[in-house]
Amino acid sequence: SAVISQKPSRDICQRGTSLTIQCQVDSQVTMMFWYRQQPGQSLTLIATANQGSEATYESGFVIDKFPISRPNLTFSTLTVSNMSPEDSSIYLCSAKSGVRSGELFFGEGSRLTVL
Amino acid sequence: AQSVSQHNHHVILSEAASLELGCNYSYGGTVNLFWYVQYPGQHLQLLLKYFSGDPLVKGIKGFEAEFIKSKFSFNLRKPSVQWSDTAEYFCAVTTTGANNLFFGTGTRLTVIP
Repeated sequence: SAVISQKPSRDICQRGTSLTIQCQVDSQVTMMFWYRQQPGQSLTLIATANQGSEATYESGFVIDKFPISRPNLTFSTLTVSNMSPEDSSIYLCSAKSGVRSGELFFGEGSRLTVL
Repeated sequence: AQSVSQHNHHVILSEAASLELGCNYSYGGTVNLFWYVQYPGQHLQLLLKYFSGDPLVKGIKGFEAEFIKSKFSFNLRKPSVQWSDTAEYFCAVTTTGANNLFFGTGTRLTVIP
């Protein structure tokens, strides 16, 4: 199994600012993902973080708003840019744990509140 | 588009009661199905999974789920819950080879001692 650590675990941010969330996995993983969980809603995939290349974004999410880096097989960052109150959410980093799709390990999440 | 429905938002049970949490999905192709659980203060973890074969799958801590293809359902069950089962439960679905895991909105289970 993999252990995923996220920083920060929570933060309160001002409108218009940007915040970068870090995700560290304790072992090399093939695939890493970023999810968002808005209040009262289900988890939604933002993007797949690709090692050494641009992330693959899901419909409704764009690189300018959520730039993602993945410099190696154990680390990724997600930036939430030009934040508004609608970005208040829990952001979750996850990694694929096996060969089959859907088996994921998750970090503890980063709870962002935008004022 | 794929979607997952969990109709129970909050379930409250006494210890030793039986549990069944509903999960329905909408997708016509071959699916992989999951239940994830998040205990208070912990991160989301896999409870059980179905890829193929026996539609009744068993997971950790005495949980099981049954895939009924004709009903597009994957309900979670446990014959006798414990206080330590208090958590939020998420049903999720994906298709073979796909990266996008679609989650339901979750069901909060509170077990009263």
